[in-house]
Amino acid sequence: NAGVMQNPRHLVRRRGQEARLRCSPMKGHSHVYWYRQLPEEGLKFMVYLQKENIIDESGMPKERFSAEFPKEGPSILRIQQVVRGDSAAYFCASSRTSGGKIVETQYFGPGTRLLVL
Amino acid sequence: AQSVSQHNHHVILSEAASLELGCNYSYGGTVNLFWYVQYPGQHLQLLLKYFSGDPLVKGIKGFEAEFIKSKFSFNLRKPSVQWSDTAEYFCAVKDTGGFKTIFGAGTRLFVKA
Repeated sequence: NAGVMQNPRHLVRRRGQEARLRCSPMKGHSHVYWYRQLPEEGLKFMVYLQKENIIDESGMPKERFSAEFPKEGPSILRIQQVVRGDSAAYFCASSRTSGGKIVETQYFGPGTRLLVL
Repeated sequence: AQSVSQHNHHVILSEAASLELGCNYSYGGTVNLFWYVQYPGQHLQLLLKYFSGDPLVKGIKGFEAEFIKSKFSFNLRKPSVQWSDTAEYFCAVKDTGGFKTIFGAGTRLFVKA
């Protein structure tokens, strides 16, 4: 079952370093969503991308965070100059298009747990 | 703005007890509704979803949920829980015209054997 893949599963960074989180959607899926889960909280939407396009980034912090989904390769969530408050679980989900419409069901990856020391 | 409220953060039940987890959302338009489950150490999995039609939706593993539009609710139910249902349950709502899915804070269910 080639589900949504995320790597690394765990990432430790020191303050000021960069974190790169990768997400490979399910085969045939062209829509990728990134969410952040802080301890004791639900998932918070960050960004929605289609191949080579950012469609909705309204949940992304204005600074230090960026996302891309290139034509080839996984989607990348990049956090520059990490701070302790960035420590969280970051989940990626993907969905597909059917008949020209987005199929609403999202399939989630296992998440990347980022710890900033 | 859309929001999702899950009434209980922690629920403890004995096996064979009935389960109902509350979920209310705030949004005036047409929505898609979801319940996801996250078993310990695993990723989120879809339990069930409502898009349209019969407001009583049946999902996997004996779960069901009822959409009550007038109450903006989508409560999850199971008549008899098992120890293996121990997990965290998330209610989620998506505006049919948008891209964001809004999640509740989750309910942690612990089922005693």
